[in-house]
Parts: sequence; C-alpha cells; structure tokens
Amino acid sequence: EPEVTQTPSHQVTQMGQEVILRCVPISNHLYFYWYRQILGQKVEFLVSFYNNEISEKSEIFDDQFSVERPDGSNFTLKIRSTKLEDSAMYFCASSHGQDPYSNQPQHFGDGTRLSIL
Amino acid sequence: GQQLNQSPQSMFIQEGEDVSMNCTSSSIFNTWLWYKQEPGEGPVLLIALYKAGELTSNGRLTAQFGITRKDSFLNISASIPSDVGIYFCAGVSGTYKYIFGTGTRLKVLA
Repeated sequence: EPEVTQTPSHQVTQMGQEVILRCVPISNHLYFYWYRQILGQKVEFLVSFYNNEISEKSEIFDDQFSVERPDGSNFTLKIRSTKLEDSAMYFCASSHGQDPYSNQPQHFGDGTRLSIL
Repeated sequence: GQQLNQSPQSMFIQEGEDVSMNCTSSSIFNTWLWYKQEPGEGPVLLIALYKAGELTSNGRLTAQFGITRKDSFLNISASIPSDVGIYFCAGVSGTYKYIFGTGTRLKVLA
C-alpha cells in the first residue's frame, strides 16, 4: 500500500538554526498537510497546501514557518530560527481529495522527531 | 476554538474484552475519523465516517457518527495485545483541517 514517507526520522538542531523537514506524499495525492505533536499531547494542524499554495494555516504556523513543493514529489516544512518549544514530532499527511466533501481521508507519515537544544 | 474531548483518557483491559471509547464536542463536525498511533509512528487511519448516524465496521472495530454530529464512538471487540496504542478521533468541520481529540491510551493485558 502506498505510504507517506518522511525524512529524517530524527533531527537534532541547535536553537536558532534553520531546519528543513522533508516529506514524499503518496504519488497521486493532491493535498498536503503538516501537523505537529508535542510529546504526550494531541496532534495539531499546522498548514494545508494545494496547487502550489497554502490553502489554510493555523495560528501556530507563523512567519517562522514555510512550506514548499520544490519538485513533483517532495513537500518540505522549513522552520527558521528554531526555538526550544519547536521540539515535537512533525507529521506530514496527504490526501487525494479534501474532507468533508470528497470522502478522501488524510494518510500520515511516521513523522520526524525534532529536538531543539 | 474547536475541541474534541475523548474519554476515557486511558484504559487497562484484559485480552478478549470489548473496548468502548468516545469523542465529544460542543461543535458540529461533518466528518469523523478514528486513527491509531503506536510509539514512534504516525497516526494510521482505522475508520472514516461521513454521514450523521453512519455505523461502520472494519474487522473487530466499529465506529458510529453521532446523529447530532457532535460525537462519535469507537468499539473494539475481543481485544488482542496488538490493539495497544493511542486512539485518536479527528473531526472536520467547515474547513479542511483535522481537529484531533486528546487521545485514549489503551493497554491490553495478556
């Protein structure tokens, strides 16, 4: 079964540095998402992306964050000037359509654990 | 903001027992989904519900979309050790983002 793949599985970075988290969505999917899960907490929506632009973002997704689809297969999340509180699991997801109108649920990758020192 | 409250927060059950967990909100949702997350992995879709009142099964799992569109439940019958994990509900309302619940941590004792 096709999967969403994320790299790296674990990223350790010094506070203030920039990080790029990478995702390869399922190949025929058109909608892409990033979520964050702080240790022991629930999964929180960050941003959705369609047709090469952001379609929705949460209040967490401030100017420190950006997303890009640099080619036909990758979808990246960049975090500039990382802070300690950015430490979390970051999940990429993709879907063929968008709920609630399409009955096409989101499929999640296994995440990147980001540790800010 | 919209919140989904799951109960119970955690459960310890004996292998073979049935499990029931639910998700409630003060807001109306148009889609409900149930995901399972195991340590070090991402959420894996179990069941998606798209119509109020819908009852859907996936093997030993059964989930229902509440008629008020403000709640959903997930039942697991005859639990086995590999059912261990955290179960999250997720809802979709007027926008496309998923709102996740607080999770139910399930532990199965053999």
